[in-house]
Amino acid sequence: SAVISQKPSRDICQRGTSLTIQCQVDSQVTMMFWYRQQPGQSLTLIATANQGSEATYESGFVIDKFPISRPNLTFSTLTVSNMSPEDSSIYLCSVDPHGGRTEAFFGQGTRLTVV
Amino acid sequence: RKEVEQDPGPFNVPEGATVAFNCTYSNSASQSFFWYRQDCRKEPKLLMSVYSSGNEDGRFTAQLNRASQYISLLIRDSKLSDSATYLCVVRVSGGYNKLIFGAGTRLAVHP
Repeated sequence: SAVISQKPSRDICQRGTSLTIQCQVDSQVTMMFWYRQQPGQSLTLIATANQGSEATYESGFVIDKFPISRPNLTFSTLTVSNMSPEDSSIYLCSVDPHGGRTEAFFGQGTRLTVV
Repeated sequence: RKEVEQDPGPFNVPEGATVAFNCTYSNSASQSFFWYRQDCRKEPKLLMSVYSSGNEDGRFTAQLNRASQYISLLIRDSKLSDSATYLCVVRVSGGYNKLIFGAGTRLAVHP
């Protein structure tokens, strides 16, 4: 299993500002995943973060808006840049310790409200 | 068309009832299948994996039909604590073997 500590758990931000979300894992993992869950919706993958290389973004998400850092095998950050009310959502990080063969584990989520 | 489709519900059932959820997926390259449970304002957690042979875990039974690209979850003897959103999740092969989530089916079990 894997235990993920994600912070902040929630924040209320002014439009035009940026927020950086941090995820710390209790074990080394090759890939970390960042998801967005909008109200009443399911999880949508934003990007996959591999240590030592640039993140891979899904269609509809770009690095300028959601820059990601992955400085080592236990830590990653996601920044939501130049926020607008449409960015209000829950953001979750996730790891897949066994390379896709078993379950994925999630952080507790960051509930972001942009006003 | 969504890659993973579920009936959003809500399913409102009394304690002790049997309830079934269905899910269909469109990507034939899907290789692994799961049901996750998400409680209100919490992160998703694995409920069970789904195998072609079907699998059972206590009151929960999952079935997979690859030919029809269909997954099901059966909950017997529902408990109040089963109230949650159940997410059908598919892992697609290739690249980073990413997970595709259904929108979830809400279950509310009442006394």
